[in-house]
Amino acid sequence: QKEVEQDPGPLSVPEGAIVSLNCTYSNSAFQYFMWYRQYSRKGPELLMYTYSSGNKEDGRFTAQVDKSSKYISLFIRDSQPSDSATYLCAMSDTGGGADGLTFGKGTHLIIQP
Amino acid sequence: DSGVTQTPKHLITATGQRVTLRCSPRSGDLSVYWYQQSLDQGLQFLIQYYNGEERAKGNILERFSAQQFPDLHSELNLSSLELGDSALYFCASSVGTGRGEETQYFGPGTRLLVL
Repeated sequence: QKEVEQDPGPLSVPEGAIVSLNCTYSNSAFQYFMWYRQYSRKGPELLMYTYSSGNKEDGRFTAQVDKSSKYISLFIRDSQPSDSATYLCAMSDTGGGADGLTFGKGTHLIIQP
Repeated sequence: DSGVTQTPKHLITATGQRVTLRCSPRSGDLSVYWYQQSLDQGLQFLIQYYNGEERAKGNILERFSAQQFPDLHSELNLSSLELGDSALYFCASSVGTGRGEETQYFGPGTRLLVL
């Protein structure tokens, strides 16, 4: 069983829709949860950072962590074509990734104009 | 632009060869991390250096080695290259040791193709 599972997609939705992206994990020691966005042929860019369980909102983006279910989500409201990218969840038990981050394989998201 | 620079952008080489990838962290960052991204394995942590010292190791092969120099730039050396080493190699940096709520900033990557 892989440590972090993420549906690779592609996930295609119309512009303006609410997008839900998810990851499940098996390591209960994970406490720090991140979402990165990666455009084609570019490096990952941090979108959201959450410590432990709960919700965090930043503009059109909301991150949710449910440690009891070992499940994290990223919601994108009012999706735009510029949101088309691969979204990677990442996790760590030691914070910013002192021992490296553990990533999901990424979900490829397409927002149709 | 994350402030992390990587050279070269692309590298094409043959099996059995050795290559060196270079990374300059963001100004003020002391930690450098190396990751490998392939289609089948996703993004995998290789190794971390903090202020010149190796701090953590991930799934790094014995044929691979890295170091961080006094000016904090880092190099990843890949030797006896195999076809399966073809991948994107990313460098990331963070301000401290990586503990707590510290962000890793990723560079644009080096695309390695082994023929």
